[in-house]
Amino acid sequence: RKEVEQDPGPFNVPEGATVAFNCTYSNSASQSFFWYRQDCRKEPKLLMSVYSSGNEDGRFTAQLNRASQYISLLIRDSKLSDSATYLCVVTRGSYIPTFGRGTSLIVHP
Amino acid sequence: EAQVTQNPRYLITVTGKKLTVTCSQNMNHEYMSWYRQDPGLGLRQIYYSMNVEVTDKGDVPEGYKVSRKEKRNFPLILESPSPNQTSLYFCASSTLSGASTNTQYFGPGTRLTVL
Repeated sequence: RKEVEQDPGPFNVPEGATVAFNCTYSNSASQSFFWYRQDCRKEPKLLMSVYSSGNEDGRFTAQLNRASQYISLLIRDSKLSDSATYLCVVTRGSYIPTFGRGTSLIVHP
Repeated sequence: EAQVTQNPRYLITVTGKKLTVTCSQNMNHEYMSWYRQDPGLGLRQIYYSMNVEVTDKGDVPEGYKVSRKEKRNFPLILESPSPNQTSLYFCASSTLSGASTNTQYFGPGTRLTVL
C-alpha cells in the first residue's frame, strides 16, 4: 500500500459546484498534514494546513480523520481559477514529507 | 522577499556530462530537499538535509549527489547524467520549528533533458 494515496481524477465540474477530494495515508504515526496546489509545470504552493479539529479558509475546508487515516479537502462554489492539481502531503516522523500523486481538478464554464 | 531560487531553469545536456543544479533559500530554513516529478509518478524525494553537513537519501537517490556546506545552499549534482534522469526537479525548504513547521517552500523548478 502506498504511503499516501489520492484519486488522480480528473474531477471535471461546472463553475459553482462543490467538490471534495480525499487522501488516505498508511502511517498512523504521521504528524502533520497539508494540501498543496500545483498549476501545470509550476511549483507546488501551500493551500492550507490540516488541523485535527478541521479548518476553513474561505471556500476551502480541510478535515482530518485520524481513526480512518484520511484527510479531505472540500471546495465550495468552484471557480475557473481553481483548476489545478491538488497534492496531499503527510509528514512522517517530525519532518519527512510524503506527497500524494495529486488529484486533478478541471472547472469548466 | 522570501524565496527559493534554482538555477538553471532549463537545461538540455548529453549523457555523461556532469552537471550541477543550484538551490538557494533566504529564509534561514534548516530543512532542504530535492524532488523530481515525472508524469504519473508525482513528486519523489531524492535527497534531503536537516542542517549544514547533514544529508540523507530520499526515495530515489541513485545517480544523484548533494552537499550542504552552507545553510542557504543545497546543490544537486548529477555526476554522469543518463536519459532516465530527464525530469522536472524541484528544490524545497522548510523550518523545523515554529508556526510554519514543515511547510514546504518550493523553488520554480528545473526542467532537465538528458539526450
